[in-house]
Amino acid sequence: DIQMTQSPSSLSASVGDTVTITCRASQGIVNHLAWLQLKPGKAPKPLIYTASSLQSGVPSRFSGSESGTDFTLTISNLQPEDFATYYCQQYNNYPFTFGQGTRLDIK
Amino acid sequence: EVQLVESGGGLVQPGGSLRLSCAASRFTFSTYWMSWFRQAPGKGLEWVASINQDDSIQYYVDSARGRFTISRDNAKNSLFLQMNSLRVDDTAVYFCARDPPGLVAEDYWGQGTLVTVSS
Repeated sequence: DIQMTQSPSSLSASVGDTVTITCRASQGIVNHLAWLQLKPGKAPKPLIYTASSLQSGVPSRFSGSESGTDFTLTISNLQPEDFATYYCQQYNNYPFTFGQGTRLDIK
Repeated sequence: EVQLVESGGGLVQPGGSLRLSCAASRFTFSTYWMSWFRQAPGKGLEWVASINQDDSIQYYVDSARGRFTISRDNAKNSLFLQMNSLRVDDTAVYFCARDPPGLVAEDYWGQGTLVTVSS
């Protein structure tokens, strides 16, 4: 199975800040990497697919990048609704696997 | 907009069975792969199973293989997860999700249904 190592596990930031979350895949996954946002009691919200493509309707302050097996989610100009938990997911091979999650809190 | 609504969760004893359903609407259900995921309390997301458009291909996470069965009824726009021999560690919120073509990851998820396995 492909292991996804996500960091940090938690992060505190203020409205207007820029934050970065990283994920490292244990083997090559091409660019088959997604980022999702989770809030309690709500449907997971897909943000990014193929490492850097924005899902429809996702604000442009969210961006993704890749370098080999390292992937990054950047959220610029944090808004109050962005405080949530974020996961990376590889979908290159079954079983699909996720990072451990990053909880983003208000400082 | 695309809608996915899960149902069928509840409290079940270890060793018991449950059948989850996912009602899909506002898209052509029969043309999409579909998947089930879960999130145990306080834990991260886990992929459970996926199924192709005509129910001829299914994939399972190792912990579910042999106990869970993913299926679909395209005439009723519905996805199912039959869960047998349930264990305490199957306790989770279960989500269904749509898989668009072209390796672009799931693009719509339901809100989930809670399964609690406890004596």
